[in-house]
Amino acid sequence: EPEVTQTPSHQVTQMGQEVILRCVPISNHLYFYWYRQILGQKVEFLVSFYNNEISEKSEIFDDQFSVERPDGSNFTLKIRSTKLEDSAMYFCASSEWYSAYEQYFGPGTRLTVT
Amino acid sequence: AQSVTQLGSHVSVSEGALVLLRCNYSSSVPPYLFWYVQYPNQGLQLLLKYTTGATLVKGINGFEAEFKKSETSFHLTKPSAHMSDAAEYFCAVSDTSLKAGSYQLTFGKGTKLSVIP
Repeated sequence: EPEVTQTPSHQVTQMGQEVILRCVPISNHLYFYWYRQILGQKVEFLVSFYNNEISEKSEIFDDQFSVERPDGSNFTLKIRSTKLEDSAMYFCASSEWYSAYEQYFGPGTRLTVT
Repeated sequence: AQSVTQLGSHVSVSEGALVLLRCNYSSSVPPYLFWYVQYPNQGLQLLLKYTTGATLVKGINGFEAEFKKSETSFHLTKPSAHMSDAAEYFCAVSDTSLKAGSYQLTFGKGTKLSVIP
C-alpha cells in the first residue's frame, strides 16, 4: 500500500541553524500539507500546497518557514533560523484530487532544537 | 473558526469492554469529521471519516462513529476492546467551505486509550 515517507526520522540542530525536512507524498496525490505537534499539545496545521503554490497557511507559518516541491516527488519544509520553540514532531500529509479532505500522514520527523 | 474538544485525555478500559471516546466540534458550516489513531512512534492513521450521507460510519479495526448534528458530536466506539487498540486517538474536523486546495484539519488534543488485560 502506498504511503507517505519522511526523512530524517529525528533531526537535532542548534538554535539559529537552517533545517530542511523532507517528505515524499503518495505519488498520485495533488494536495500537500505540513502539520506540527509540540510535545503534549495538539497537532497544528502549518501550510497547504496545491498546484505548485501555497494555498493556505497558519499564523505559525511565518517568514522563517518555506515549502518547496523541487521535483515531481519531494515536498520540503525549510526552517531558516531555528528557535527552541520549533522543537516538535513535524508531519507531512497528502491527499488525492477527488477526496482532497482525506489526508494520509507520514510517520513524522522529530525536530530537536538545542 | 472551528474547534474540536475531546473529553478525557486518558481513558482506560478492560479488554473486552466497550470503548467510547468522545468528540465534540464547533463549525459554522457542515463539517467533514475524522478520527485518526497514532500508535507509539508512528504517524497518524485514518481510522474513519464522515463526509455526507449515513451518519453512522464504520472504520478499520472494528471502530465506528456516529455524527450527531444536534449534539455537534462524533463519538468513537468499539464494542469490545483489544490490547492492540492501545494508542492515542485524535478527532479532527475540516471546513467544507475552504477554498480549493486547502482542506486543513483542526485536531482535538487527543485521547490516550489504555487497555487493561
